[in-house]
Amino acid sequence: DIQMTQSPSSLSASVGDRVTFTCRASQSISTYLNWFQQKPGKAPKLLIYAASSLQNGVPSRFSGSGSGTDFTLTINSLQPEDFATYYCQQSYSYPFTFGRGTKLDIK
Amino acid sequence: EVQLLESGGGLVQPGGSLRLSCAASGFTFSNYAMSWVRQAPGKGLEWVSGLTSGGDSTYYAGSVQGRFTISRDNSKNTLYLQMNSLRAEDTAVYYCAKGDKSYHQLDYWGQGTLVTVSS
Repeated sequence: DIQMTQSPSSLSASVGDRVTFTCRASQSISTYLNWFQQKPGKAPKLLIYAASSLQNGVPSRFSGSGSGTDFTLTINSLQPEDFATYYCQQSYSYPFTFGRGTKLDIK
Repeated sequence: EVQLLESGGGLVQPGGSLRLSCAASGFTFSNYAMSWVRQAPGKGLEWVSGLTSGGDSTYYAGSVQGRFTISRDNSKNTLYLQMNSLRAEDTAVYYCAKGDKSYHQLDYWGQGTLVTVSS
């Protein structure tokens, strides 16, 4: 199985900040990398697919990059509604696997 | 509008069985792969199982292989997860999710159904 490693596990930031999350795959997954946002008690929401494609309706302050094994998610100018947990997930091969998540909270 | 509605969760004893359902609407269900993803209380997301649009190929996480069976009825626009030999560690909210064709990304999710395995 492909292992997904996210860092950091938690991050504190302020409204208006720029933050970056990192995700690493245990083997090359080309650009089959997706990012999700999850708020407490809610289902995950797809933000970015194919490493850098913005899902419909997602604000442009979210962006993704990377290929192979190393990927990043960046949020420019944090908004209050962005404080949540973020997960990466590979869809290159079954079984699909998620990272352990990065919890973003308010500094 | 795409909608996915899970049902069938509840309290079950260790060793017991449960069948989850996911009713889909707002898209041509038979054209898309589907997955089940779970989240134990206070924990992260775990992909559980998936199957192709026609249901001919199925896939499982190692933690449920041999105990869970995924299936679909395209005439009823419904996805299923039959869970047998349930363990305490299977306690979680179970989500169904639609897979897109391009990068297999899980683009729509249901609201989840809670399964609790306890005596």
